[in-house]
Amino acid sequence: AQTVTQSQPEMSVQEAETVTLSCTYDTSESDYYLFWYKQPPSRQMILVIRQEAYKQQNATENRFSVNFQKAAKSFSLKISDSQLGDAAMYFCAYRSTQKVDSSYKLIFGSGTRLLVRP
Amino acid sequence: DTEVTQTPKHLVMGMTNKKSLKCEQHMGHRAMYWYKQKAKKPPELMFVYSYEKLSINESVPSRFSPECPNSSLLNLHLHALQPEDSALYLCASSPRGGSGLNYGYTFGSGTRLTVV
Repeated sequence: AQTVTQSQPEMSVQEAETVTLSCTYDTSESDYYLFWYKQPPSRQMILVIRQEAYKQQNATENRFSVNFQKAAKSFSLKISDSQLGDAAMYFCAYRSTQKVDSSYKLIFGSGTRLLVRP
Repeated sequence: DTEVTQTPKHLVMGMTNKKSLKCEQHMGHRAMYWYKQKAKKPPELMFVYSYEKLSINESVPSRFSPECPNSSLLNLHLHALQPEDSALYLCASSPRGGSGLNYGYTFGSGTRLTVV
């Protein structure tokens, strides 16, 4: 079974600085998808960035980028020029390309709370 | 429309009440999900519907009863809940094939349920 681990329960960053959130996962599959979701106090889970395992190039979305190390099974999120609105819970998630009972299951890590200091 | 809409946003119910949570999407997604999320924890999968059929039940107690009347609508019927069932209930949807660019999940903003 796949597992996702986020070892940092909480991180803090100064506004305008850069922060990196860590995520490791365990799987025997060679093809899969990885995601970072943001959950602010408003509760909605917002997709921040996603990565296909077969792509060597790291995904980038504006101020958000990932460092995907497939051999090390590591998928960290870098937030550049941090803003107050980035404060939220961040969840790393894994999705297999193989269906389970005709569906795809999303497996979440335990989350990292990001605090942004003004 | 790229949203998943959940109603109500907040619900307080007694342990003998019957209530329902509603989730709606108009993105043509054929897989819909119910998750339960306790404070400061990740979402836990409860049910998955694929093509309006229940495909996964993660050993959820029978006091939670899901229903998928059509491809756009997902309900969660609640009956005789316990205080420990108080949580945020999230609905999500994803495309049929789940490949290529269409492999993401879209989440609703959830229903905050309090059982008293």
